Amino acid sequence: DTAVSQTPKYLVTQMGNDKSIKCEQNLGHDTMYWYKQDSKKFLKIMFSYNNKELIINETVPNRFSPKSPDKAHLNLHINSLELGDSAVYFCASSQRNQPQHFGDGTRLSIL
Amino acid sequence: DAKTTQPPSMDCAEGRAANLPCNHSTISGNEYVYWYRQIHSQGPQYIIHGLKNNETNEMASLIITEDRKSSTLILPHATLRDTAVYYCIAPPRFNQAGTALIFGKGTTLSVSS
Repeated sequence: DTAVSQTPKYLVTQMGNDKSIKCEQNLGHDTMYWYKQDSKKFLKIMFSYNNKELIINETVPNRFSPKSPDKAHLNLHINSLELGDSAVYFCASSQRNQPQHFGDGTRLSIL
Repeated sequence: DAKTTQPPSMDCAEGRAANLPCNHSTISGNEYVYWYRQIHSQGPQYIIHGLKNNETNEMASLIITEDRKSSTLILPHATLRDTAVYYCIAPPRFNQAGTALIFGKGTTLSVSS
């Protein structure tokens, strides 16, 4: 069973489009995260939700909007995609004071 | 987060022990040291963490110096599948849920036969 699953795995789209990435965890964790890994391979936190409540919101353009319908899901919606949004997006989850578990990533390419 | 410093790359022969160092001289008393690795653009994988004492699990051992200013991750018998980027991270102790991990550049470990 996949603990943290993301869909889609690959996403190729045109500049200006709106797209969503979904994340689900079956570990029963209370907290979920979105990280971005750019072309230089740096991993940076974007958002974190705890029990459906936003608790971390780094300096991210407001074109990015996370949504947590329940504590097992954290989706990422991106409006008006730009070339600079091309990256790998990782979802993660954790229980309080425990290590984070990561998904396999969504590779977003903007044409 | 305490700033961590790691060598950019290391090589290891298959079957030998891989010892990956990390300096975290500004670590505070309640900050753990975590190790993750990322194999060829897969999601980061948790390896081990510790506060003061040395730790061992099925993947690795973690040796933390007495002054807690540095640590070493030990993979006792490295295999080709251990080739990855290894990250040493010292996030603040979780006083609330959702503390973010701050990833640096890590150490690229290359295991060869």
